[in-house]
Amino acid sequence: QVQLVESGGGVVQPGRSLRLSCAASGFTFSSYAMHWVRQAPGKGLEWVAVMSYDGSEEDYKDSVKGRFTISRDNSKNTLSLQMNSLGAEDTAVYFCARSRNYNFYNMDVWGQGTTVTVSS
Amino acid sequence: DIQMTQSPSSLSASVGDRVTITCRASQGISNYLAWFQQKPGKAPKSLIYAAYTLQTGVPSKFSADRSGTEFTLTISNLQPEDFATYYCQQYSGYPYTFGQGTKLEIK
Repeated sequence: QVQLVESGGGVVQPGRSLRLSCAASGFTFSSYAMHWVRQAPGKGLEWVAVMSYDGSEEDYKDSVKGRFTISRDNSKNTLSLQMNSLGAEDTAVYFCARSRNYNFYNMDVWGQGTTVTVSS
Repeated sequence: DIQMTQSPSSLSASVGDRVTITCRASQGISNYLAWFQQKPGKAPKSLIYAAYTLQTGVPSKFSADRSGTEFTLTISNLQPEDFATYYCQQYSGYPYTFGQGTKLEIK
């Protein structure tokens, strides 16, 4: 069945880095754009980043530009999010989600999320 | 950025009731609007996309409408499994933005 499984979350000190991964299965990963969406404790959903099916296009929420980098390896069906210079405001559950195209398509399948806690 | 204003922020209803949640976009987004359901500790679940279209497997008790930049989600015949938080989201342009969420609670 179609599945997205995130990993890599944990507790990290402010200013440090963390790399999240999202393993896809059950569909042709290389045909879908992929997103990261986060949810701070007790808060709503916040879109973070997107990458096109072939990695040629990407975009970020302003507050993470220059700190976060999205990437993908279509040969391994894996999406990644490299997060640098982490701050308390980045504490959240991070979800990966797919969409049929980079623009004008909804996110239809989501992973279960991985928790990132930024704390000293 | 496109702002999505969702109301109400919380809603109390009884089993069997019909409820409506509203989401207003700060500018035109055509039909690039989705609705999600989220239960505590779980991932969001896609309910509706393209403003009106039910995701595969979503029961017809969920329906949606659009009037200009105002979008509505209606849930009929509420059952215990429907009590959750609901979010709207625009995908007309980046950054994609979500409404603040509506927590639907049992009265």
